[in-house]
Amino acid sequence: DARVTQTPRHKVTEMGQEVTMRCQPILGHNTVFWYRQTMMQGLELLAYFRNRAPLDDSGMPKDRFSAEMPDATLATLKIQPSEPRDSAVYFCASGLVQGVNTEAFFGQGTRLTVV
Amino acid sequence: AQSVTQPDIHITVSEGASLELRCNYSYGATPYLFWYVQSPGQGLQLLLKYFSGDTLVQGIKGFEAEFKRSQSSFNLRKPSVHWSDAAEYFCAVGAQRGGSYIPTFGRGTSLIVHP
Repeated sequence: DARVTQTPRHKVTEMGQEVTMRCQPILGHNTVFWYRQTMMQGLELLAYFRNRAPLDDSGMPKDRFSAEMPDATLATLKIQPSEPRDSAVYFCASGLVQGVNTEAFFGQGTRLTVV
Repeated sequence: AQSVTQPDIHITVSEGASLELRCNYSYGATPYLFWYVQSPGQGLQLLLKYFSGDTLVQGIKGFEAEFKRSQSSFNLRKPSVHWSDAAEYFCAVGAQRGGSYIPTFGRGTSLIVHP
């Protein structure tokens, strides 16, 4: 059963530390999304990639966040330095985008707590 | 910009009762609409989607949704709710970002099921 895999599931870190979240998209999907979920803002799109190229990262704080796809099986979201306001659940999703059909399949998320 | 509004933060129903969750969209042309469900501690799972054609869409787990252009709505329904349906439900619209239509989510409706 194909699924999006995210690691770690939980992460507690101290303010100022670097955090790296990893995502393995479903094999054959050409699009990878990163969303952040908080009580205050709900689900926000941070960035997305098509065929490993970044197409939109306007939702991401550029000074501390970075997203990459070093290869087709791995997407990373990095925060450096982390701050308490970054505490949230971060979801990776992937999809096979053909035309306007952008159905996203979600991973289980990484719950990040910055203390 | 394309967006969706879910007017109900919480909905409480008795097991076996019918369910309708409301979703209103803001978009001039025919929107691409989705309903997702999120169980506690899990990622989002697609219930159904609408792109065009028949305005009554059937999904998984016995859910259906009806697209009504005149009311700018895409409400989710189920004739008989089971206790396992208790979860958070998200309506989403395909919003244009970076050249594609990316799922953009409402704030969600929490469904509580009483025995």
